[in-house]
Amino acid sequence: SQTIHQWPATLVQPVGSPLSLECTVEGTSNPNLYWYRQAAGRGLQLLFYSVGIGQISSEVPQNLSASRPQDRQFILSSKKLLLSDSGFYLCAHGSISYEQYFGPGTRLTVT
Amino acid sequence: DQQVKQNSPSLSVQEGRISILNCDYTNSMFDYFLWYKKYPAEGPTFLISISSIKDKNEDGRFTVFLNKSAKHLSLHIVPSQPGDSAVYFCAASGNSGYALNFGKGTSLLVTP
Repeated sequence: SQTIHQWPATLVQPVGSPLSLECTVEGTSNPNLYWYRQAAGRGLQLLFYSVGIGQISSEVPQNLSASRPQDRQFILSSKKLLLSDSGFYLCAHGSISYEQYFGPGTRLTVT
Repeated sequence: DQQVKQNSPSLSVQEGRISILNCDYTNSMFDYFLWYKKYPAEGPTFLISISSIKDKNEDGRFTVFLNKSAKHLSLHIVPSQPGDSAVYFCAASGNSGYALNFGKGTSLLVTP
């Protein structure tokens, strides 16, 4: 079965500090990988998706970047966090079908 | 630009009754629709989906109805149980394997 891991589960970072969130998937090869963010009182916003190693598509211009150094690893980064980066970050994987499956998420609070 | 809209932020239903969650979309290119359930501090879990070639899909207590002409879908939960209390997200896609467009969610509370 497929499993998706995210860490850390919670993170408190000061404004201006860097960020690195990691997501790994088990039990599948060449998955499509996605980063979403849920800000307070809002729905799920797609940030980045990747259909293969080194391939990243950005949906929303922002302070964040993503990388896919390995087939089943997806990393979300920032060089300098803003207050508005606070939120619940979710990694998801999918394949040729429409369904996407989400990890447990990371709660990021920027202070 | 919100292409998937869930206009009811919250819904309260008594245990045993029917819960109806609604979703509207604006993009006529969407051809696949999904419902996700989310508990606090957890990732969403896939619940049920429907292709645009169908107008109904049923899975146990959960049924999704699609009205393409109205660009409207709904999720029916019968009978509702307290464990169904969660936030429900509607999502849509026009391209397999790529982005899902999510609504803002409806918080369902099922009271005993």
